[in-house]
Amino acid sequence: DTEVTQTPKHLVMGMTNKKSLKCEQHMGHRAMYWYKQKAKKPPELMFVYSYEKLSINESVPSRFSPECPNSSLLNLHLHALQPEDSALYLCASSQMTGSPGELFFGEGSRLTVL
Amino acid sequence: QKEVEQDPGPLSVPEGAIVSLNCTYSNSAFQYFMWYRQYSRKGPELLMYTYSSGNKEDGRFTAQVDKSSKYISLFIRDSQPSDSATYLCALTSGGSYIPTFGRGTSLIVHP
Repeated sequence: DTEVTQTPKHLVMGMTNKKSLKCEQHMGHRAMYWYKQKAKKPPELMFVYSYEKLSINESVPSRFSPECPNSSLLNLHLHALQPEDSALYLCASSQMTGSPGELFFGEGSRLTVL
Repeated sequence: QKEVEQDPGPLSVPEGAIVSLNCTYSNSAFQYFMWYRQYSRKGPELLMYTYSSGNKEDGRFTAQVDKSSKYISLFIRDSQPSDSATYLCALTSGGSYIPTFGRGTSLIVHP
């Protein structure tokens, strides 16, 4: 079982809805990430929270907004999404020491925008 | 040219076959090399982690890095149907904790 927990596993929403994806890790990691993955594509980095500092992929539209209530929680707020935003959203965490590139992923939240 | 090139497949092999999965890269700053395995509708999980050129073995899996050719490989011996998944190579430089992913190769091992 993964130590990064994502909820919900599945989400269907309309283009006018507001919803949130949640992610929690209990490994004491200091960095957390949101990735978007479309079918047969690699994960695309959206946001990184590291030592309470947010880094943004500038290509991510403002209808996605991250929130980090504390070092073990990372939320992704969704508003006015488009059908092309339908994808698997992956949360990951990592230590910021030791093995660069070693990420621990959750099982993902599969989002469908109607 | 993309930073990391990986054939998407699918690669279909019979059970028991030796599988070779490969990636090439262009950035010589990459120093850490990883293979992630992703089952359908799940998140990726780290399978192998290597640093510098050479081989690393873990059970039926061997990761190989050739930095001079900018080429990395993952070999799977005695492949099993449970190995059916997408395998993503991932690379990072020493100055970053965020990996650059290949697009993944879909592997199907049929009984």
